[in-house]
Amino acid sequence: RKEVEQDPGPFNVPEGATVAFNCTYSNSASQSFFWYRQDCRKEPKLLMSVYSSGNEDGRFTAQLNRASQYISLLIRDSKLSDSATYLCVLAGNYGQNFVFGPGTRLSVLP
Amino acid sequence: GAGVSQTPSNKVTEKGKYVELRCDPISGHTALYWYRQSLGQGPEFLIYFQGTGAADDSGLPNDRFFAVRPEGSVSTLKIQRTERGDSAVYLCASSLKSSGSQNTQYFGPGTRLTVL
Repeated sequence: RKEVEQDPGPFNVPEGATVAFNCTYSNSASQSFFWYRQDCRKEPKLLMSVYSSGNEDGRFTAQLNRASQYISLLIRDSKLSDSATYLCVLAGNYGQNFVFGPGTRLSVLP
Repeated sequence: GAGVSQTPSNKVTEKGKYVELRCDPISGHTALYWYRQSLGQGPEFLIYFQGTGAADDSGLPNDRFFAVRPEGSVSTLKIQRTERGDSAVYLCASSLKSSGSQNTQYFGPGTRLTVL
């Protein structure tokens, strides 16, 4: 089983739609969780950290379920500019590298 | 302020040649990371530095790959006897610290390496 798994998509949704991505991980020792966004031929950029209690940043909501070892990202009222690949990322607590999922591609259509 | 910078942005080389890729982290960031990304995949960890020392080099695929960070700032990834399979985008990232709440990594634009 891969360490981090994501639905590759693509998710093609109309503007204004709500879309949710899931990510599952196998290493129960993972301590930090993030969602990064990557535009085509660009570097990954931090979208948001994911906290145990769940967190929201505008139209974006992230949830963490440690018991089931999955992370989710919800995007409400999607915009054309949300079109990108969304990467689920884990890290250990003691200075480890990040482990990236393969990413989920989102295309928001007019 | 200035972000992570990487040079060159593109590098085309021939099989068997030696290449060096450079990364300039965000000033004051103690941790520096190298990743490799192939088309359609997420970045894959290669090596990370805490200060001048390589704290974890478990992701380096073989002994043709080597990286240094002699003064705890700029880092160079070196690839000897390049192979066509080394073609990828090489990403560098830095973070203020490598653990705790300040481990968010900020990425450079990457170096696209093509081995012919």
